[in-house]
Amino acid sequence: GQQVMQIPQYQHVQEGEDFTTYCNSSTTLSNIQWYKQRPGGHPVFLIQLVKSGEVKKQKRLTFQFGEAKKNSSLHITATQTTDVGTYFCAGLLEGSSGGSNYKLTFGKGTLLTVNP
Amino acid sequence: EAQVTQNPRYLITVTGKKLTVTCSQNMNHEYMSWYRQDPGLGLRQIYYSMNVEVTDKGDVPEGYKVSRKEKRNFPLILESPSPNQTSLYFCASSLSIHLMSSGANVLTFGAGSRLTVL
Repeated sequence: GQQVMQIPQYQHVQEGEDFTTYCNSSTTLSNIQWYKQRPGGHPVFLIQLVKSGEVKKQKRLTFQFGEAKKNSSLHITATQTTDVGTYFCAGLLEGSSGGSNYKLTFGKGTLLTVNP
Repeated sequence: EAQVTQNPRYLITVTGKKLTVTCSQNMNHEYMSWYRQDPGLGLRQIYYSMNVEVTDKGDVPEGYKVSRKEKRNFPLILESPSPNQTSLYFCASSLSIHLMSSGANVLTFGAGSRLTVL
């Protein structure tokens, strides 16, 4: 079935270093969403990318959607301890039967830890 | 405040004792979904509902049941819990999973329900 692969599974950085997590899909996505889950918390929506090649920024976070709409990345510049958590991508795929049958599939997430 | 409310937040139970985890949203969302989160496995979808009286299996539906009799509620039922259902469960909702307009298919998650089956 449809899968969204996310790497790396874990990333430990020193505060101030950059961080990137990547998502790849075997099929073309309608859009891709990114969520952040703080330790002990629940996933919280960060951003949605819809257009091919789209790039969006939120302060130190840069999100990209690939030209083929099969891959995406989240890059954090100069990490801070507040960036700690698990980052999930979620790809929205239109069902093969057409109509309004969409499915949102989550990657397994990347756990980011930051050493102060 | 717009939110998704799950209960209970924590539960320890024994094998075979039926339990229900409730989920309620106050945003008039059409789409609701249940996920379980296990270490190394990310978020796996159990069941989802596109609207009232419309439910469908996700990726890991075995051992679970759901119902959607009202728009705001989407309870998760474990008829005969087993230890492999020990997990962290999240309910989530969105206005509509297939609408591409900004924000319409963004998920709002509940705080989570940690279930232990002995």
